[in-house]
Amino acid sequence: GAVVSQHPSRVICKSGTSVKIECRSLDFQATTMFWYRQFPKKSLMLMATSNEGSKATYEQGVEKDKFLINHASLTLSTLTVTSAHPEDSSFYICSAGDEKTDNYGYTFGSGTRLTVV
Amino acid sequence: SQKIEQNSEALNIQEGKTATLTCNYTNYSPAYLQWYRQDPGRGPVFLLLIRENEKEKRKERLKVTFDTTLKQSLFHITASQPADSATYLCALQNSGGYQKVTFGTGTKLQVIP
Repeated sequence: GAVVSQHPSRVICKSGTSVKIECRSLDFQATTMFWYRQFPKKSLMLMATSNEGSKATYEQGVEKDKFLINHASLTLSTLTVTSAHPEDSSFYICSAGDEKTDNYGYTFGSGTRLTVV
Repeated sequence: SQKIEQNSEALNIQEGKTATLTCNYTNYSPAYLQWYRQDPGRGPVFLLLIRENEKEKRKERLKVTFDTTLKQSLFHITASQPADSATYLCALQNSGGYQKVTFGTGTKLQVIP
């Protein structure tokens, strides 16, 4: 079945630095990928929709200059958290759908636990 | 405003029984409703999708119903096992194809041996 590989799984960074998270669709092409963040014991909050070859669409309240999304190819999307602060510490997850199937369920990456110290 | 509520934050049931989880929504007209399983520290795993014109869908021990009049979906796990213990999330999608979905609050299911 469809697999989405997400790296790194955990990252600790200093306040003020930037962190890049990668999501790859391993056995399918994804023109669209979605980025979520999740706080402890809370549900997933959609941050942005990443579109291959064009600008990402951000949800209301998400700072596009802080959370940079690049979808340079049909199998790779990246999320860069710029000038990270402790309040950016969270669990970030990407997802994509295999558009060659019509079951319309999404495949999620395994998530990235970001801790900003 | 739009809301998706899974009205049990946690549910404990005995092994072998049927677990029933509820998803209620307001101010949505979803084309699709999806259910996912999430284990701690992991991304969600897709389980089932049901379309607005479908009443019920089954997959092995799982059954989903979708009542667009009540604005409710029920998710059943029959013959539950301890390995079914996880958080279950419903998600709504307003239009067809691979469009963005909005997740509910989740229900943490614990199956007691």
